[in-house]
Amino acid sequence: SAVISQKPSRDICQRGTSLTIQCQVDSQVTMMFWYRQQPGQSLTLIATANQGSEATYESGFVIDKFPISRPNLTFSTLTVSNMSPEDSSIYLCSAVPGGGNYGYTFGSGTRLTVV
Amino acid sequence: QKEVEQNSGPLSVPEGAIASLNCTYSDRGSQSFFWYRQYSGKSPELIMSIYSNGDKEDGRFTAQLNKASQYVSLLIRDSQPSDSATYLCAVNTGGFKTIFGAGTRLFVKA
Repeated sequence: SAVISQKPSRDICQRGTSLTIQCQVDSQVTMMFWYRQQPGQSLTLIATANQGSEATYESGFVIDKFPISRPNLTFSTLTVSNMSPEDSSIYLCSAVPGGGNYGYTFGSGTRLTVV
Repeated sequence: QKEVEQNSGPLSVPEGAIASLNCTYSDRGSQSFFWYRQYSGKSPELIMSIYSNGDKEDGRFTAQLNKASQYVSLLIRDSQPSDSATYLCAVNTGGFKTIFGAGTRLFVKA
């Protein structure tokens, strides 16, 4: 299965600033996904990132707040912009190695605290 | 809205017992079903996938699917303390989009 390297693993940020999270996959994948997980909560899909096209955002998430880049088939970034304490969460990237319905591989996650 | 429901637990079982984790989903058209294990502070790890009605076994794990009842379960035989984690049920609702349940916390007591 694929390995996804995600960084940073954690960060503490001041409100009003932005943080960019990077994910690198060790193989080419068509689609990558960005999730948010609040403590004790389910994973909530933020957006789906295809290479060469704009990301598709889920209800409640907008591009101005969570811009995503997908410059090639192995890399994606998520930026959390103009942060507030409500953005404190764990952010996870994921991909489906080989395509199809084979389940996700996840990055190691980014624990974000906004103060 | 498409949903995946799980009992949050905690489910506590003694070492060596069978742990039974359950999940229901709302989208009758769902075709792919997954169980992930998530240790505290770690990201989810895929442990089982199932696509057709019936049972699928992999080592100590058995996934069961009943599409008519919109029900998925995971059995863990001979539970070990190392199985203590949160288990997430996930359902593919079309394309690559997957919806996750909130997870069931499992504690296996030595």
